Amino acid sequence: GQQVMQIPQYQHVQEGEDFTTYCNSSTTLSNIQWYKQRPGGHPVFLIQLVKSGEVKKQKRLTFQFGEAKKNSSLHITATQTTDVGTYFCAGPSSYGKLTFGQGTILTVHP
Amino acid sequence: DTGVSQDPRHKITKRGQNVTFRCDPISEHNRLYWYRQTLGQGPEFLTYFQNEAQLEKSRLLSDRFSAERPKGSFSTLEIQRTEQGDSAMYLCASSLGNPGRLNTGELFFGEGSRLTVL
Repeated sequence: GQQVMQIPQYQHVQEGEDFTTYCNSSTTLSNIQWYKQRPGGHPVFLIQLVKSGEVKKQKRLTFQFGEAKKNSSLHITATQTTDVGTYFCAGPSSYGKLTFGQGTILTVHP
Repeated sequence: DTGVSQDPRHKITKRGQNVTFRCDPISEHNRLYWYRQTLGQGPEFLTYFQNEAQLEKSRLLSDRFSAERPKGSFSTLEIQRTEQGDSAMYLCASSLGNPGRLNTGELFFGEGSRLTVL
């Protein structure tokens, strides 16, 4: 079945440094979603990418969808302590099923 | 509050007992998902409904797990004869997806029901 893999599993940064997490799917995706889960919280939707090569920005966050639609990345510029949490990518497999990656845990040291 | 609500938030039970979790999705959403999450892992798909129809069930789900969504509204997830390995956070999510299309829509998650099996 479809697998969605993320690297790195953990990332520790100093406040102000940049952060990037990468997502790879074993199959071509029709779209990819990104979620953030704060410690002790539940996943919250960030964005959906649909087009090959698409790039979307949300303030300091930049999301990319690969040309082959099998990979994606999330880049945070100048991290802040509010960015702490786990970032998940997720892709649809069969109709309606959304498969999540294992996530990248981001810690930010002030 | 019109978000996804789950009940109970915490459940401690002894091995071998049955437990049931309830999820009330956002009212206009046609899709409802159940996921399981353990510490340090991503949400693991269990099953999902489109309206009242259960469209997919994970092969990882044993026959001790059953889910229902009568009338396409709230849903229940029952675990029979619980085992210690069932200890996890059980997350419910709902979305407004396009029927028959590979677009799930944005998933709105509830706070989850944490199960501890002693």
